[in-house]
Amino acid sequence: QKEVEQNSGPLSVPEGAIASLNCTYSDRGSQSFFWYRQYSGKSPELIMSIYSNGDKEDGRFTAQLNKASQYVSLLIRDSQPSDSATYLCAVNTPGGADGLTFGKGTHLIIQP
Amino acid sequence: NAGVTQTPKFQVLKTGQSMTLQCAQDMNHNSMYWYRQDPGMGLRLIYYSASEGTTDKGEVPNGYNVSRLNKREFSLRLESAAPSQTSVYFCAARRDRGRTSGGVGVGTQYFGPGTRLLVL
Repeated sequence: QKEVEQNSGPLSVPEGAIASLNCTYSDRGSQSFFWYRQYSGKSPELIMSIYSNGDKEDGRFTAQLNKASQYVSLLIRDSQPSDSATYLCAVNTPGGADGLTFGKGTHLIIQP
Repeated sequence: NAGVTQTPKFQVLKTGQSMTLQCAQDMNHNSMYWYRQDPGMGLRLIYYSASEGTTDKGEVPNGYNVSRLNKREFSLRLESAAPSQTSVYFCAARRDRGRTSGGVGVGTQYFGPGTRLLVL
C-alpha cells in the first residue's frame, strides 16, 4: 500500500516568515514528487515538481527531496496571506495507474 | 487553451438517479483520471484511462463506470446514485512526455475545476 503522509495542521505562520511543509512517502520506487496548492472550493493547482535529490527553487518556493529518507518538503519564503491554502504532497510511482498518490494535505494559515 | 474542463459544476441528485460527469482536455495527453475528494479522506482515484479505448479501476471504483470516448474526453457515470457518493469529483490529465521550460515534466497531473455532487 503506497502511503503519503502529511501533518494536517493547521500550520499558522506570520506574514513575511518562512512556511515549512513536510511530507513522507512509503514506496522507495517513487520517482516524481509534486506539491499542489488547493484553495477552499477550488481544484488542486501545481506549485512545484521535483525529480532528483536536492533543492529546486522557483520564486518564493523551494522544494527539497531526500530519497534516502523518503522525505520531501516545501518552503515558502516571505509568506503572504494569499498563500493560505491546503498544500497537497503527491508522489508518482511507475506502474499500474502510473498516477499520483496524494497526502491528505496540510492546511496553512498566514497570519497578517 | 482551456486545459481540463468539467461539466456540470454542481448537481443535486436523488438516491437512485443516474448522471454522467463530463471531462475534456485540450493538452493532447494520453492518460486521464477521475478522483473524488472527501473531507479527511484526501483525493482518491476512482478510474483511470492510460489511452483512448482503455480504462482501469482505481482505489474506489464501486458504483461508477467510465467511458474514454476519444483522446480528449473521459466521462464518469453514476448508474444509481447513493448518498455515499456525495463528494467533489475532479478529472485530471497527465503529462506523459516532454518537459516545460519551467521544469514541469512527466507525471504532472492537471486538474479540472471539479463537480460538486450532492445525493439526497
